Amino acid sequence: DSGVTQTPKHLITATGQRVTLRCSPRSGDLSVYWYQQSLDQGLQFLIQYYNGEERAKGNILERFSAQQFPDLHSELNLSSLELGDSALYFCASSPSRGKWSQETQYFGPGTRLLVL
Amino acid sequence: GDSVTQMEGPVTLSEEAFLTINCTYTATGYPSLFWYVQYPGEGLQLLLKATKADDKGSNKGFEATYRKETTSFHLEKGSVQVSDSAVYFCALNSGATNKLIFGTGTLLAVQP
Repeated sequence: DSGVTQTPKHLITATGQRVTLRCSPRSGDLSVYWYQQSLDQGLQFLIQYYNGEERAKGNILERFSAQQFPDLHSELNLSSLELGDSALYFCASSPSRGKWSQETQYFGPGTRLLVL
Repeated sequence: GDSVTQMEGPVTLSEEAFLTINCTYTATGYPSLFWYVQYPGEGLQLLLKATKADDKGSNKGFEATYRKETTSFHLEKGSVQVSDSAVYFCALNSGATNKLIFGTGTLLAVQP
């Protein structure tokens, strides 16, 4: 158990809909990362938040957005869903205290999204 | 840009066989290197890591050595078990954005 929790575990929805995925980082971790795992794209970095602020952006679609709240949990919002958004979405966290480049990231169990 | 290349799977071995999964990388600067493992139906677990050249990461009988001269981080285990069956991902973190860049993953199937 990494200490990172994600809800829900599974999500089934229809095209055009909007969903919210939730992540709670390990206790004390300030950074949260979101990754998407799909069969055709593999594991891809979406976005990073550090202590409530967006820090880095990867291959995140404009239909997707995220935020990190004062209690450090994070939510990933996916809107106008398409069939191709079906994937496993992982959240990870890292301490990010002091000099913190190249830190180890600890992953949650993921949310499996199926868009029908 | 930075990238990771892993050997194609699946890799099928008999129990107690020797395992090597090749991983090479391209990166500017001096990245940290990681192996993550994903068991069926589960999330990613950190298996081992190395943060500088010639470092050896090890865990649960698995080892990998950070080779700067060959830009490689091959995963090895002397004697695999059925319980090692999983997908193994090599990854790097170059520190520029602190994001992880993953290889495509290698499926390992160990037969009794």
